[in-house]
Amino acid sequence: DIQLTQSPSFLSASVGDRVTITCRASQGISSYLAWYQQKPGKAPKVLIYGASTLQSGVPSRFSGSGSGTEFTLTISSLQPEDFATYYCQQLDSYPITFGQGTRLEIK
Amino acid sequence: EVQLVESGGGLVKPGGSLRLSCAASGFTFSNYSMNWVRQAPGKGLEWVSSISDSSIYIYSADSVKGRFTISRDNAKNSLFLQMNSLRAEDTAVYYCTGVSIAAGYNWFDPWGQGVLVTVSS
Repeated sequence: DIQLTQSPSFLSASVGDRVTITCRASQGISSYLAWYQQKPGKAPKVLIYGASTLQSGVPSRFSGSGSGTEFTLTISSLQPEDFATYYCQQLDSYPITFGQGTRLEIK
Repeated sequence: EVQLVESGGGLVKPGGSLRLSCAASGFTFSNYSMNWVRQAPGKGLEWVSSISDSSIYIYSADSVKGRFTISRDNAKNSLFLQMNSLRAEDTAVYYCTGVSIAAGYNWFDPWGQGVLVTVSS
């Protein structure tokens, strides 16, 4: 099974900050990686697919990069609505796996 | 409007069974592979099972293999998850999700609102 390790697991930041979340895969997954945002009590929402393609309707302050085993999600200037939990997901092979999540909180 | 609505959750005793349903609307359900994803209270996301558009391909996580069965009825725009031999560790919110595809990549979208399954005596 492909393991995904996100870092950090917890991040405290302020409105306007630039933040980066890393997702490392235990083996190469090309660019078959998606990023999701989840707010409490809500279903996850896709932000990025194919490692770097911004989903329609997602603000351009979100960006993704990487391929193979190392990936990043960057938020260029945090907005109040961005405080949430973020997950990476690999869709290269079954079983599909998610990272453990990164909880982003207001400093 | 694209919508997935889960139902069938509730409280069940260990060893019991439950059948989840997911009603799809607003898109051509029969063209989409579908999945169940769960989230235990306060925990992360866990993929449970996937089924292809015509039900030819089915995959399940080892944690549920032999106990849970995914199925679909394209004529009724519905996805199901039959859960048998339930354990306390199956307690979670269960989400129904579709698989969207573009430029050779896929991702999980849309998502339902989730349904809570609690396994407890």
